[in-house]
Amino acid sequence: SQQGEEDPQALSIQEGENATMNCSYKTSINNLQWYRQNSGRGLVHLILIRSNEREKHSGRLRVTLDTSKKSSSLLITASRAADTASYFCATADNTGGFKTIFGAGTRLFVKA
Amino acid sequence: ETGVTQSPTHLIKTRGQQVTLRCSSQSGHNTVSWYQQALGQGPQFIFQYYREEENGRGNFPPRFSGLQFPNYSSELNVNALELDDSALYLCASSLAEGGGFGYTFGSGTRLTVV
Repeated sequence: SQQGEEDPQALSIQEGENATMNCSYKTSINNLQWYRQNSGRGLVHLILIRSNEREKHSGRLRVTLDTSKKSSSLLITASRAADTASYFCATADNTGGFKTIFGAGTRLFVKA
Repeated sequence: ETGVTQSPTHLIKTRGQQVTLRCSSQSGHNTVSWYQQALGQGPQFIFQYYREEENGRGNFPPRFSGLQFPNYSSELNVNALELDDSALYLCASSLAEGGGFGYTFGSGTRLTVV
């Protein structure tokens, strides 16, 4: 079963606008990670937020984590056409061994 | 510092055959994990190795097996290939056993089973 589920499945915005993606998960976590993937290539690690953190920033990225609601959001400010990609959240399920579980992703399209 | 490299980049195999995919971890990383990604889907966790021992496995049958070598490079072996095994296979390495510092991914191997 999927640990992380992203919402929305797809998002289309104009360049300069902000993009917000949400992720929900099911079990307790040590950390939650966000990745970007361009056109079926390898994933790029964007940001990791630990379970004792509520918010984290990296450049134009802002991630929040609400462990009581088992949810996280990724905000990309002032989006650019180059931000067009799929975005995935990932969580670690460490019951019965280590597993990293990805959701189905949000496909972001930024129009120039 | 080199990243994660995978080989080959593309591969076509016939149903029933066996395939070996290879991954060279980022320098200094002792953990490697493998994922299968079907078109339009998120990566599905296959298994993870930490210091040459498998320490986590997803819902994949035993015909998916792996190895991690002393230099932390890794192989994914798939026996008795099925059409549904056609996918992008991703390898990722990490500094920590539980991925606590995030994973560095390779560009993947695109496997087509005909």
